[in-house]
Amino acid sequence: GESVGLHLPTLSVQEGDNSIINCAYSNSASDYFIWYKQESGKGPQFIIDIRSNMDKRQGQRVTVLLNKTVKHLSLQIAATQPGDSAVYFCAENIAGTASKLTFGTGTRLQVTL
Amino acid sequence: DAGVTQSPTHLIKTRGQQVTLRCSPKSGHDTVSWYQQALGQGPQFIFQYYEEEERQRGNFPDRFSGHQFPNYSSELNVNALLLGDSALYLCASSLEYRTNTGELFFGEGSRLTVL
Repeated sequence: GESVGLHLPTLSVQEGDNSIINCAYSNSASDYFIWYKQESGKGPQFIIDIRSNMDKRQGQRVTVLLNKTVKHLSLQIAATQPGDSAVYFCAENIAGTASKLTFGTGTRLQVTL
Repeated sequence: DAGVTQSPTHLIKTRGQQVTLRCSPKSGHDTVSWYQQALGQGPQFIFQYYEEEERQRGNFPDRFSGHQFPNYSSELNVNALLLGDSALYLCASSLEYRTNTGELFFGEGSRLTVL
């Protein structure tokens, strides 16, 4: 079946650098995308979302970019901090299906000092 | 304000047994969804409950069933446990299942180990 996937299973960045986590999705009917952060032993935590009528959305230190042409989603974290170390998941959703999200397998972000 | 709470946090069962996991949604939320997260994988949608009815279901067998109570809390039941059912079971709550209102609030999960 269609699913959301990620290019890099592990990303290592130095503290203070910017991080970019990528995600490819295959369901062209998806119109809502979310990034989640999951720390060890915890449930996923919402970071930022974007709807298909947008191509960019910014939050605090985070930016999500959506390229519908190539079905690509990315999460940019500015000035990465040790507390950003976690597994990051992108998830997709189809309008009207609310909390039925399709998650990718995740990217582990390791922040080195 | 309490977030999503799940119990138990950890449990061990043997093949063939049955298990019940419990979830209390975030205050004010009326919709509960359950996800299964195998080690090293992303969460997989099991089903969603709203107004005490199952509204959507993922690709899980009938061994997986659930219930939602009038106070919006929910249970996930798994019968005839298999080794492959070992996973972290996550509960997520939201408001009004019909709309993409944004973020789901996840609990910390129940870690099930089947021996």
